[in-house]
Amino acid sequence: GAVVSQHPSRVICKSGTSVKIECRSLDFQATTMFWYRQFPKQSLMLMATSNEGSKATYEQGVEKDKFLINHASLTLSTLTVTSAHPEDSSFYICSARDKPRMDNEQFFGPGTRLTVL
Amino acid sequence: AQTVTQSQPEMSVQEAETVTLSCTYDTSESNYYLFWYKQPPSRQMILVIRQEAYKQQNATENRFSVNFQKAAKSFSLKISDSQLGDTAMYFCAFMKGGSQGNLIFGKGTKLSVKP
Repeated sequence: GAVVSQHPSRVICKSGTSVKIECRSLDFQATTMFWYRQFPKQSLMLMATSNEGSKATYEQGVEKDKFLINHASLTLSTLTVTSAHPEDSSFYICSARDKPRMDNEQFFGPGTRLTVL
Repeated sequence: AQTVTQSQPEMSVQEAETVTLSCTYDTSESNYYLFWYKQPPSRQMILVIRQEAYKQQNATENRFSVNFQKAAKSFSLKISDSQLGDTAMYFCAFMKGGSQGNLIFGKGTKLSVKP
């Protein structure tokens, strides 16, 4: 199966700093990538959808100036949490899809645990 | 808007027994896909099984099978011969056909397989 990696797996930062999370498709070209947020013992909530070379589409209620998404290549998308606050602490998961080849399946990264002090 | 409902927050089953997890959904779409994902303690999301709405035949993957009732908008997952490694959160998910692939997840069911 296709592999998606995320880096870092966990990060701790101080309030007010910015944190960048990388999502890479290792063995396929990801035409579309998705970013999810998961609070403890809760489900995954879609934050935004990004297509390579285009601006991300954010879900209602997600601040696009706070959660910057860049999908600059077919194998890499980044999520930058700007001016992080403790309430941004969460588990962030990306997934990737190569629509022409993979029908309707998307592959998930292992997630990044963000803790903001 | 589409919604996915999983009414069982937690379930448990004895090893080697069979368990069924429930999922209902609401949509006005005719073209869509339904999925069951497993999230073990590692938090890695793993696709368990997928069902295309246009297919009448229920999907099956080894010990995992679904009961897809389109008219009732029900999509339950049956796990046969439960194994300790099946212990995980299970999420039911909906995807609109022809879309970018956005998944809408239910709240999940925590399944514990007991030895």
